[in-house]
Amino acid sequence: DIQMTQSPSTLSASVGDRVTISCRASHAINTWLAWYQQKPGKAPKLLIYSASNLESGVPSRFSGSGSGTEFTLSISSLQPDDFATYYCHQYDTYPLTFGQGTKLEIK
Amino acid sequence: QVQLVQSGAEVKKPGASVRVSCKASGYTFRSYNINWVRQAAGQGLEWMAWMNPGSGNTGYAQKFQGRVSVTWNTSISTAYMDLSSLRSDDTAVYYCAKGWYPDYWGQGTLVTVSS
Repeated sequence: DIQMTQSPSTLSASVGDRVTISCRASHAINTWLAWYQQKPGKAPKLLIYSASNLESGVPSRFSGSGSGTEFTLSISSLQPDDFATYYCHQYDTYPLTFGQGTKLEIK
Repeated sequence: QVQLVQSGAEVKKPGASVRVSCKASGYTFRSYNINWVRQAAGQGLEWMAWMNPGSGNTGYAQKFQGRVSVTWNTSISTAYMDLSSLRSDDTAVYYCAKGWYPDYWGQGTLVTVSS
């Protein structure tokens, strides 16, 4: 199975900050990577697919990059609505796997 | 608009089975995979299974082999996930999600396993 490791597990930041979340795959996955945002009690929401493609309707302050085994999700200027948990997800190989999540907290 | 509407919460005893349904609308049901993902309270996302109503193919995570089965009824655009031999650690919210990389998710179904 492909292991997905996110860092950090928790991130404290302020409104207006730029933040970056990293995701490392245990095997190369080309760009078959997605990023999700999840708020308490809600289903995950797709933000980015194919490592760098912004899902329709997602604000442009979100961006993704990377290929192979190293990926990042960046938020250029944090808004109050962005405080949530973020997951990376590889869909290169079954079984599909997710990172353990990064909780973005208000500082 | 695309919607996935799941069945309601379930409470089951250990050893029992549960069926979660997922009714799709707003897209061609046969054309996209549906994945099943679960999430225990305070934990991350765990992929369980996939199905493709068009090809008839399915696949399961090794962890759930022999206990999980996914089926569907194309005429009513509904997918089903059956999980048997339930244990307390199967208590979780179960999601269906459309697509190879899931772009639309159901609202989740809480399955509680308790004696």
